[in-house]
Amino acid sequence: AQSVTQLDSHVSVSEGTPVLLRCNYSSSYSPSLFWYVQHPNKGLQLLLKYTSAATLVKGINGFEAEFKKSETSFHLTKPSAHMSDAAEYFCVVSIDYGGSQGNLIFGKGTKLSVKP
Amino acid sequence: KAGVTQTPRYLIKTRGQQVTLSCSPISGHRSVSWYQQTPGQGLQFLFEYFSETQRNKGNFPGRFSGRQFSNSRSEMNVSTLELGDSALYLCASSWRQGAVSTEAFFGQGTRLTVV
Repeated sequence: AQSVTQLDSHVSVSEGTPVLLRCNYSSSYSPSLFWYVQHPNKGLQLLLKYTSAATLVKGINGFEAEFKKSETSFHLTKPSAHMSDAAEYFCVVSIDYGGSQGNLIFGKGTKLSVKP
Repeated sequence: KAGVTQTPRYLIKTRGQQVTLSCSPISGHRSVSWYQQTPGQGLQFLFEYFSETQRNKGNFPGRFSGRQFSNSRSEMNVSTLELGDSALYLCASSWRQGAVSTEAFFGQGTRLTVV
């Protein structure tokens, strides 16, 4: 069965410092993994996706994630946090083999706070 | 291009009533999925429809049902509402052909409160 575990429910950083949001996955086959962001009172937006091409995936707004099979991890990073990055972030795995996005399993979410 | 539209945005219902939520996908998208978001359980998959057929169903009781119309618009229905059904219900649409699909685009959700 597919699942994802977000290791931190809340992360707080100062503006201009690096961001690290941690995610471990469990999958019986090569997974399709995603990171989504949800700003308050807004819908979910796809940040980036991994579908077995390059292991380092670049997304929008300067975010990137690295797929590490040996560690079953897919951590999200950004070199320098901006105030506008404050939001909730979800690590997500697709149930469907092949990575279609009709049936997604979400982690519990990590709330990112950015201090001025 | 219009995004995913969910109506209504907010809804208050009484225990025991039923409710119908609507989702209009992005033009050309034939896959529509529904999710429930609560503080306790997080985001959970309800079901997915493609070309008017339910493809997948999550682990929810039979009180939760859905359908999709020929224009790809989808509705979900919850009968005999319980207090625990209070949640944000999100709809997502994607273009799909076989196992290939675009990213899922989410609507802003319908906030259902059961009193």
